[in-house]
This record gives sequence, structure tokens and C-alpha cells, in this order.
Amino acid sequence: GDSVTQMEGPVTLSEEAFLTINCTYTATGYPSLFWYVQYPGEGLQLLLKATKADDKGSNKGFEATYRKETTSFHLEKGSVQVSDSAVYFCALSVNRFSAGGTSYGKLTFGQGTILTVHP
Amino acid sequence: EPEVTQTPSHQVTQMGQEVILRCVPISNHLYFYWYRQILGQKVEFLVSFYNNEISEKSEIFDDQFSVERPDGSNFTLKIRSTKLEDSAMYFCASRTGLREAQHFGDGTRLSIL
Repeated sequence: GDSVTQMEGPVTLSEEAFLTINCTYTATGYPSLFWYVQYPGEGLQLLLKATKADDKGSNKGFEATYRKETTSFHLEKGSVQVSDSAVYFCALSVNRFSAGGTSYGKLTFGQGTILTVHP
Repeated sequence: EPEVTQTPSHQVTQMGQEVILRCVPISNHLYFYWYRQILGQKVEFLVSFYNNEISEKSEIFDDQFSVERPDGSNFTLKIRSTKLEDSAMYFCASRTGLREAQHFGDGTRLSIL
């Protein structure tokens, strides 16, 4: 089945440091890839997405590139802020329409990475 | 910006009781989902709903669970006889089309005593 593996956390950084959170996936078919962020006490918010190989998703200074050859979608930010402290989830979805069943793109999540940024 | 809204934010229920979690998806969305997150674990898919029927469900979604879209705006998850292991955060999500990202609500924290 489909799966997503994220680097283990927690990750603790100083403000303005460079951030990388690794994410790799396995999937049958052609997945779309996502990063969601969860701030304390809130729900999951879409941070960025990429729907095909070599696409780069970007938002709020965060970037991730869909690498089909390495089945990866690593999240990066050049200079983190205290306000970036949150839990980050990598996820994939695949739409399947076949005699064996239909899947309308359920999300498969990684385990989440807690990021704490200190001033 | 339109939001997915979930009520209540926190539900405390005795084991064996029925519970209904409510969601109002974004109005022009067509695909609806429930997920859950047990404390300290991954977010897990429960069920997807399209065109007034379940399109896919996980192994977690057994006979104790059901979903409804009773009036064209609400989307509910019912657990008939709750167990201790049903304690989790439950998230509702929706989207317009299969190429779009899912939008999530803030979740309902369900605590079974």
C-alpha cells in the first residue's frame, strides 16, 4: 500500500536557521504530494503541493520539489522564524479508478515532525 | 476565505454511548472525508464520501461507524457504541475536485471515559 516516511523529530532550530524536513514515499500510480502544517490548537492547513514530477511547490518561504527518481518531497526554508513552530506533515494522495475499486484521493500521512524555533 | 467548520470542538462521552460529530464542508465542495489522529500517532484515513455515498473506507471504519450528509450542508460521523480506543482527534476535510487539495476543519477532540 501507499506510505509516507518523514524524518524523525523533534527539530529544534534558532531563528534564521535553514530548515530541511525529509520526506520519502511509496505509492502505486502517480501520487500528488502535499505538506500540511498544524499550529498549536488548530487544524491541518495546506502549506504547499505538487502534482507531478519536477514540480516545485512553494508558500510562505517554504519549498518542496517532487522528485520521482528518489521518491522524495523534502521541505525546505532558508530562514525560519519563531512563528514557524508547528507540526509538519508530509502526505500523498492517488486517485484510482479501476475494476478493483475506486479511490477518490484519500490522504496518506507521514508521522509528522515537530519543529520548534527559538529566538 | 471559506472554511470547514466542525462541532463540537471537544466531546466527552461515556464508553458505550453513541456520539455524532458534525462538520460543515465548504459550500461548493463535492468530496468529503473523515480522518482521525490518536494522540502521538499518525493522521489516519477513515472514509471518503461522494455523490451521497461512501466511495472508500479504511479497516478502521467498521460497523460501529457511519456517515451521513442529511441536508446538503452538514456531514456527520456517527459512532454507535464508543470504545476507549475511539478517543482521538477527528478531522473533517473537503475539496472541490480530485486535482485540488483537501481543506481541513480544526477537528473535534473525542474523549471516551
